[in-house]
Amino acid sequence: EAQVTQNPRYLITVTGKKLTVTCSQNMNHEYMSWYRQDPGLGLRQIYYSMNVEVTDKGDVPEGYKVSRKEKRNFPLILESPSPNQTSLYFCASSLDRYSSSTDTQYFGPGTRLTVL
Amino acid sequence: KNEVEQSPQNLTAQEGEFITINCSYSVGISALHWLQQHPGGGIVSLFMLSSGKKKHGRLIATINIQEKHSSLHITASHPRDSAVYICAVRSTAGTYKYIFGTGTRLKVLA
Repeated sequence: EAQVTQNPRYLITVTGKKLTVTCSQNMNHEYMSWYRQDPGLGLRQIYYSMNVEVTDKGDVPEGYKVSRKEKRNFPLILESPSPNQTSLYFCASSLDRYSSSTDTQYFGPGTRLTVL
Repeated sequence: KNEVEQSPQNLTAQEGEFITINCSYSVGISALHWLQQHPGGGIVSLFMLSSGKKKHGRLIATINIQEKHSSLHITASHPRDSAVYICAVRSTAGTYKYIFGTGTRLKVLA
């Protein structure tokens, strides 16, 4: 089954404790992206990757790191989480950044993160 | 002012009604997406548009590039259509960034 998976789905942590949220897709997609969703602000892009070893900042990259060492995986790293990073996080992927006709984004189920 | 604006923010309709959700944007785009988010939180892509009109079942999406405006229509609405509908644009500003509207919360009553 074609899917984007995220782990963990729920996480409660404390300020300053490094954490990683994993994202994996099984569709051989080139493009992957991380978003956060906050009430009243909607979805905002954190980082995206157009292929292996190619990443770029979205609108709200501060406090986050990403890496794309393999095509299928795109982990989100919070080196020193703070309470303002409490949010619902979504990973997404799409086939090919050059082909607008196949640009449907497939979203993961979301990770609800609480930083105390 | 947000770069992507949706209206209305909230909408309540009776089953069977024709529904329109609007999206206006102020940036250059290469594509516009309509997404659906159900109360459980999962997000599904409904349409990707770069011009014209697309139809899928009871859903129709249109875009007017010159006016920087898109609409999502739902014909013969049903309670299972209750969800948040989100407009997202892919910027042309030399990047592959996405900018999202804040969503329209739709409730369809039986």
